[in-house]
Amino acid sequence: EAQVTQNPRYLITVTGKKLTVTCSQNMNHEYMSWYRQDPGLGLRQIYYSMNVEATDKGDVPEGYKVSRKEKRNFPLILESPSPNQTSLYFCASSLLYSGANVLTFGAGSRLTVL
Amino acid sequence: QKEVEQNSGPLSVPEGAIASLNCTYSDRVSQSFFWYRQYSGKSPELIMSIYSNGDKEDGRFTAQLNKASQYVSLLIRDSQPSDSATYLCAVNTGFQKLVFGTGTRLLVSP
Repeated sequence: EAQVTQNPRYLITVTGKKLTVTCSQNMNHEYMSWYRQDPGLGLRQIYYSMNVEATDKGDVPEGYKVSRKEKRNFPLILESPSPNQTSLYFCASSLLYSGANVLTFGAGSRLTVL
Repeated sequence: QKEVEQNSGPLSVPEGAIASLNCTYSDRVSQSFFWYRQYSGKSPELIMSIYSNGDKEDGRFTAQLNKASQYVSLLIRDSQPSDSATYLCAVNTGFQKLVFGTGTRLLVSP
């Protein structure tokens, strides 16, 4: 089944404790992206990648890091999480020729930082 | 001004009625427009795309685009309770960038 898999789905952590949210897709998509979704603010792009070793900042990159060493994986790293990073996170992927418009989303990861 | 604006709702319609969801965008050079549906607790899924002025129909869904007015809409005919969800308008502003509105919550009552 074609899908984007995120882990963990739910996480409660404390301020400053480094964490990684993994994202993997099995559709051979070139484009991958991370979004956070907050009430009243909608989906906001954190980082995106158009291919291996090609990543770029989205609208809200502060406090996050990403890497794209393999085409299928695009982990999101929070080096020192803070409470304002409490949010619902979505990973998404797309074929590049679609203009990164036809996004397939993962199920989401709900993160709480205490 | 936000790049993509939607009324947050909720928009309440009775079963069988037409639901009309609206979206405005600020970037005049935008060329591609999309509607994603998000059920509560789930991830967004693409339901419609539209690239040129006018209407595009797909089953009970019709997307409408007016680039001069910078306006996109989604009509859902014969609304069903299963259509109750949040509908996200998304606009491609270029450079592989899709900008989402905050979404309109639709409630269809039996």
